[in-house]
Amino acid sequence: GEDVEQSLFLSVREGDSSVINCTYTDSSSTYLYWYKQEPGAGLQLLTYIFSNMDMKQDQRLTVLLNKKDKHLSLRIADTQTGDSAIYFCAETKEYGNKLVFGAGTILRVKS
Amino acid sequence: DAGVTQSPTHLIKTRGQQVTLRCSPKSGHDTVSWYQQALGQGPQFIFQYYEEEERQRGNFPDRFSGHQFPNYSSELNVNALLLGDSALYLCASSLGAQYSQHFGDGTRLSIL
Repeated sequence: GEDVEQSLFLSVREGDSSVINCTYTDSSSTYLYWYKQEPGAGLQLLTYIFSNMDMKQDQRLTVLLNKKDKHLSLRIADTQTGDSAIYFCAETKEYGNKLVFGAGTILRVKS
Repeated sequence: DAGVTQSPTHLIKTRGQQVTLRCSPKSGHDTVSWYQQALGQGPQFIFQYYEEEERQRGNFPDRFSGHQFPNYSSELNVNALLLGDSALYLCASSLGAQYSQHFGDGTRLSIL
């Protein structure tokens, strides 16, 4: 079945690293995504990883994938107040096909 | 380069009415997907349109229907509105099934 779970809330201090975790149940997931949603806005694609990769780095963002445990994480280095938002993990079986989202993790960055 | 645009931004309806939401995909994209995001939840897939046909559908009743036009823009129609239809409706576009989906800012639908 399809199920994506995330922790609900994370609070960090400005300048620290943030790690947002996600677990999924569908072993046939092909692509896994991280989206960011700011208040009153739509979803902004941050990064994605293909299921045959273990890690992907993009500037301050690092994605780690443990396919055996079906665990995905997003690390944000040097977290800034502008990073405060809701972060969604999503999976899909085919590139561009329907996305299955978690409930989102609220990231609060304290200055 | 315009991104995904949706209209209207906000809409208030009463139970039993019908509503039409509109979406223009990002330039160069030909596939449009619609999602419903209830307050405090992640988006739920409604359906996806490609080449003017519904290619895939989520677990939503037939009250939810859609259309894609030759210019790739799309409409989402909801009939016999229920209080539970109150949500943020998000449109996402992509280039076929080969690339990531990019989202608009959504239409906030409130049912009274």
